[in-house]
Order: sequence, then C-alpha cells, then structure tokens
Amino acid sequence: DVVMTQTPVSLSLAIGQPASISCKSSQSLLGTSGKTFLNWILQRPGQSPKRLIYQVSKLYSEVPDRFSGSGSETEFTLKISRVEAEDLGVYYCWQGTHFPLTFGSGTKLEIK
Amino acid sequence: EVQLVESGEGLVQPGSSMKLSCVASGFTFSNYGMNWIRQAPKKGLEWIALIYYDSSSKYYADSVKGRFTISRDNSKNTLYLEMNSLRSEDTAMYYCVKLGAPDYWGQGVMVTVSS
Repeated sequence: DVVMTQTPVSLSLAIGQPASISCKSSQSLLGTSGKTFLNWILQRPGQSPKRLIYQVSKLYSEVPDRFSGSGSETEFTLKISRVEAEDLGVYYCWQGTHFPLTFGSGTKLEIK
Repeated sequence: EVQLVESGEGLVQPGSSMKLSCVASGFTFSNYGMNWIRQAPKKGLEWIALIYYDSSSKYYADSVKGRFTISRDNSKNTLYLEMNSLRSEDTAMYYCVKLGAPDYWGQGVMVTVSS
C-alpha cells in the first residue's frame, strides 16, 4: 500500500499568518492516465471531512482561493495564504492513484 | 444538493453483526462507485470498501475482508455495509463516500463494539 506521510503533525498559527502542510507518498502518484490523484480534505472538530482540493491543485468551487495545492510525483504541499478562524481542524491528504486508496495521518491546525 | 445520509448506528457486542445503510440524493447514484471509509476514535481515516456503480466489482481492505460485505440497491439509491464477526477494533465512525471529483462525504454513523 502507498504510505502517505504528512508534516508537521500540528500547526499553531495566528489569524492572517500563512500555513504550509507537506504530504509525501511512498510511490509516485502519477497515474497511467497522466493524472495525479492527490487530494486534500479538512475535518473540522466534530464534523465529517470536507473536500478541498483534487488532482493536486484543483479547488472545489466552494473552497476559498486562499487555499492552494501544488506538487508532483511524490511530494505535495497544501498552502493557506492567510489563515482564518474557520480553517481550524485536521487536514488530510489522500491518494486515489493506487489501490487501495490511502490517507495521510493528518495535520492539526490550531488558531492562536 | 447532494446528500448522503447514513443510518444504523449502535452499540453491539463483540462477535455480533450489524448493517449500515446510506441513502443518496442529489446525483445519479447508479452512475457511480461508492465507498465506506471509517475513523476510529481520535484516529485517522481508513478506506474499507468499494463497490462499482453496477455492483460488478467489490473491493475490501484486508482489515475487514471476509467479515464485511458492501452492497447497493440502485432502485432505492441506497448503499449498504453488512458487518459480521465484529471486533472492538471495528469501533469507529463509518462514512458513506462518493469519491471521484466531485467527492461527497456523508455525516457518518457511529458503531461501537463493546461488551
């Protein structure tokens, strides 16, 4: 199975500060279709996960453009340009290129 | 609006069985594969089962293979997860999830396995 390694484990940031979360995979996530199925989700406290980004850098329509995703092959990054209060929670990367799909262990974002 | 509404939450003893349901609305359920993903308390996310849109193929995580069965009824827009020989380590929130841009997650249903 593909192992997804996220760093850091936690972040504590003030409103307005930038955030960066790394996600590394044990195998290349570039699929035979030429697409890279690396995705990001956010789980706010007490809620189910919510979609953020798919195929490395594509934001879902409801996601604010302060979020961005980048990367290729085995190294990926989620960035928040300026953290807002509603961004607190646990961020997970997950891959859908290789079966079974696997998740990172999560990065907890706390607001100072 | 897309909705995935799980039901079947409960507390059961080790070794017993339980069945979860997920009713989908707001999209053409019969066109898409569906998944169950679970999250043990204070833990991360674990994919456990996938069923193709037409039930032609089903896949399971090793942790549940041989004990859990995923199924669907496209006439009822409903996804199921039958869980047998339940263990304490199956205690988790179970999510019904459509994956594949767009992704949709249900609110989840809690399954507790304890004596």
